[in-house]
Amino acid sequence: DIQMTQSPSSVSASVGDRVTITCRASQGISSWLAWYQQKPGKAPKLLIYAASSLQSGVPSRFSGSGSGTDFTLTISSLQPEDFATYYCQQANTFPPTFGQGTKVEIK
Amino acid sequence: QIQLVQSGAEVKKPGASVKVSCKTSGYSFTSYDIAWVRQAPGQGLEWMGYISAYNGNTNYAQKLQGRVTMTTDTSTSTVYMEVRSLRSDDTAVYYCARIRGIGVAGPFDYWGQGTLVTVSS
Repeated sequence: DIQMTQSPSSVSASVGDRVTITCRASQGISSWLAWYQQKPGKAPKLLIYAASSLQSGVPSRFSGSGSGTDFTLTISSLQPEDFATYYCQQANTFPPTFGQGTKVEIK
Repeated sequence: QIQLVQSGAEVKKPGASVKVSCKTSGYSFTSYDIAWVRQAPGQGLEWMGYISAYNGNTNYAQKLQGRVTMTTDTSTSTVYMEVRSLRSDDTAVYYCARIRGIGVAGPFDYWGQGTLVTVSS
């Protein structure tokens, strides 16, 4: 199985900060990468697919980049509703696998 | 609007079975495959498998092979997921999720609200 490793595991940030989360795949996955946001007690929400495509309805402060094995999710100006856990997921090879998650906390 | 609505929480004893339903609406049911993803308490997301709503083809995670079955009812646009021989480490929130696009490994664009399955003696 392809291992997905996110860093950092958690980050403390303030409203208005720029936040970057990285995701590394154990082997190349082209651009078959998605990012999800999950709030406590809620289902994950798709933010980004195909590494850099913004899902409909997702604010433009979220962006994704990368290909191959290294990917990033950037929140350009953190808003109060963005405090959550973020997961990356590879969709290149069965079985699909997720990163361990990055918790974005209030500083 | 697109909705996936799951059945309610379950409490089961070790060795029992559980069947969770996921009723879909707001889109053409047979045009999209459905995946199941679970999340143990305080843990990350684990893909369990998927089913084609078009022809019923399935692909299950290796660790669940032989214990999990996914089925569809096209007359009600509902997907079912059954886990047998439950163990304590099957305690988790189980999610159904629609698979976006042509790739069957994801991404997952719409999710059910989740069903908590607790396995306890």
